[in-house]
Amino acid sequence: EVQLVESGGGLVKPGGSLRLSCAASGFIFSNAWMNWVRQAPGKGLEWVGRIKTKSDDGTTDYAAPVKGRFSISRDDSKTTVDLQMNSLKTEDTAVYYCTTNYYLSGFDIWGQGTMVTVSS
Amino acid sequence: QSVLTQPPSVSAAPGQKVTISCSGSSSNIGNNYVSWYQQFPGTAPKLLIYENNKRPSGIPDRFSGSKSGTSATLGITGLQTGDEADYYCGTRDSSLSADVVFGGGTKLTVL
Repeated sequence: EVQLVESGGGLVKPGGSLRLSCAASGFIFSNAWMNWVRQAPGKGLEWVGRIKTKSDDGTTDYAAPVKGRFSISRDDSKTTVDLQMNSLKTEDTAVYYCTTNYYLSGFDIWGQGTMVTVSS
Repeated sequence: QSVLTQPPSVSAAPGQKVTISCSGSSSNIGNNYVSWYQQFPGTAPKLLIYENNKRPSGIPDRFSGSKSGTSATLGITGLQTGDEADYYCGTRDSSLSADVVFGGGTKLTVL
C-alpha cells in the first residue's frame, strides 16, 4: 500500500524548534521529490518546501516565510523525509502534510498530517 | 492572501453543475500545469485533476478541468451531497517566493 505517515507534531513555544518526520512505503522513495505543505487552522494550503531526489542533486527549495528557519532532509535507506523547524513563530501553527508527485504531475500521495502548535 | 484567486464559496442544488475559477498570472498558471484538490474537513487533500484537465484513476468524469491563459476552471456536474468539500487549485510558480502556489480554496455547498 502506498503510504506517507507523518510524526513529530506537538506544542512548542515561540522561538523553539521541532522536527517532523514522514515515513514512506509502497513506492520507490529514492525516485520521489518530497514536499511539505501546511494548513493553518481554518486557512488554505501553503507550500513549505521540497527536496529533490539524489539523482536530481538532492537540492532543497523553500517558501519565503520559512527560508532560513526550516530545512528538509531525506534518508533514502530509511525512506524518510524530515522537516527541521527552528525559530518557530505563532504563525507557523498548522497541520503539516508530507506529499509527493510520484505518479502524476500533481501531488498524488499525501500523508494524514501532523499538528504543530506554536504558543506560549 | 493567496497567489491564486478563487471564490470563497459556491453553491448549487443536487444534480446541477457548478464551476470554480482560479485566477493567476504568467508566472504561475500562464506557463504551468494546474492541479485541483478536494479536501473534506479533518482529512488530507486529494488530487482531483492534474495537467489542467486529466483525472487520476478513480476520479469520476463528473469532475473536469480546463485552462485558458492565466486562469483555470474546475467543473463538477451531477452534483451530489458528497461533493460538499473545499476545493483548491495549485500550480508551479517562477517567482522567488515559492515554487508551488495554491489558491485560497473554495467551499462548495450542495443545497
